[in-house]
Amino acid sequence: GQQLNQSPQSMFIQEGEDVSMNCTSSSIFNTWLWYKQDPGEGPVLLIALYKAGELTSNGRLTAQFGITRKDSFLNISASIPSDVGIYFCAGSSAGTASKLTFGTGTRLQVTL
Amino acid sequence: EAQVTQNPRYLITVTGKKLTVTCSQNMNHEYMSWYRQDPGLGLRQIYYSMNVEVTDKGDVPEGYKVSRKEKRNFPLILESPSPNQTSLYFCASSLKSGRFPYEQYFGPGTRLTVT
Repeated sequence: GQQLNQSPQSMFIQEGEDVSMNCTSSSIFNTWLWYKQDPGEGPVLLIALYKAGELTSNGRLTAQFGITRKDSFLNISASIPSDVGIYFCAGSSAGTASKLTFGTGTRLQVTL
Repeated sequence: EAQVTQNPRYLITVTGKKLTVTCSQNMNHEYMSWYRQDPGLGLRQIYYSMNVEVTDKGDVPEGYKVSRKEKRNFPLILESPSPNQTSLYFCASSLKSGRFPYEQYFGPGTRLTVT
């Protein structure tokens, strides 16, 4: 099946720092979604991207749909302790709109 | 409150003993899906359903069954569980809106251990 590579796998940052993570696909995707998962809970949708080149913000979060349609990026500005969790990218390609492929996740830990 | 619920949240069972994990949503969503989450592998789709009586295989359907007799419920059935089905399972649902893919909303998860 399709592969989504997400990096970094984990990161420690200090409170107040900006965070960047990305996701790359082995094939073209038509849509990218970014989710966050807190411990013991299900993933929660953060941002959805539907068009190549699209840049969308949700508070301190900004995500971009790469021009090549094979990658996406998520940035978190001025991180705070509640940003701790696992961030997943997910996407689908043409013809598989009803199926989401997920990345392996980026574990974010914030130190005070 | 709009939500996806799963039961049980935790289950320990033995190899070969049939079990069902229930999933229910109160948002009148047409689309529902099951995923399993394993360390280092992210979430992988098991089965999904576009509407009542319409189900299809995801990426890892072997060893699982589903049914969709009512819009709100989408149970996951393991007829003969094996240890390699030990995992964290999530149910998700969404509207079949005009935008693809559907923006799925997840339940709290069911942690299954098969010994």
